[in-house]
Amino acid sequence: GAVVSQHPSWVICKSGTSVKIECRSLDFQATTMFWYRQFPKQSLMLMATSNEGSKATYEQGVEKDKFLINHASLTLSTLTVTSAHPEDSSFYICSAQSTSGGYYEQYFGPGTRLTVT
Amino acid sequence: QQQVKQSPQSLIVQKGGISIINCAYENTAFDYFPWYQQFPGKGPALLIAIRPDVSEKKEGRFTISFNKSAKQFSLHIMDSQPGDSATYFCAATSRSYGQNFVFGPGTRLSVLP
Repeated sequence: GAVVSQHPSWVICKSGTSVKIECRSLDFQATTMFWYRQFPKQSLMLMATSNEGSKATYEQGVEKDKFLINHASLTLSTLTVTSAHPEDSSFYICSAQSTSGGYYEQYFGPGTRLTVT
Repeated sequence: QQQVKQSPQSLIVQKGGISIINCAYENTAFDYFPWYQQFPGKGPALLIAIRPDVSEKKEGRFTISFNKSAKQFSLHIMDSQPGDSATYFCAATSRSYGQNFVFGPGTRLSVLP
């Protein structure tokens, strides 16, 4: 159980275009999902917290108009990188939250490699 | 105070050896400590987790040791195998802190055949 999928697994786009990444919890409902960005050989950097039916909460320094997050259902959150630039190239990972015994657990998707040319 | 420190940054172990990764935290409100394993190009996978009401948790070859007074916890990988070569992240969170996890910087483990 606790499987999270991401689509696409990799994407190449041209500078100035927009890219949408989907995150789905396949076998459980997730009120909350998270979006992370990871640079090579570095830890996970939280970008935003996505709650179903409400606006996402962005971390300091993350441009909410550039990284649009929509959590339309209990199993789907999307991240849209608008007007992408080469510096947006990165590994984007989502996670979905579940609770067990009153504690939060996060289950991660396989990640999406974005390359902006 | 929300930081989680992790060491070593990288670790090389011979096959069959014991791999030990240490983490330390400051926030005494943290009450859940998971470890994640990440292979290159993949998302992190939950490996094992511990709550502070126990000092040790074992799952197969993986053991978490927890020292509440020292605010430290560690991951031990017994009989390390080349397939264990990955990056390991410790994390901490608390029910009172909210939903966010604080991740350590990661440890790159290489197990030599």
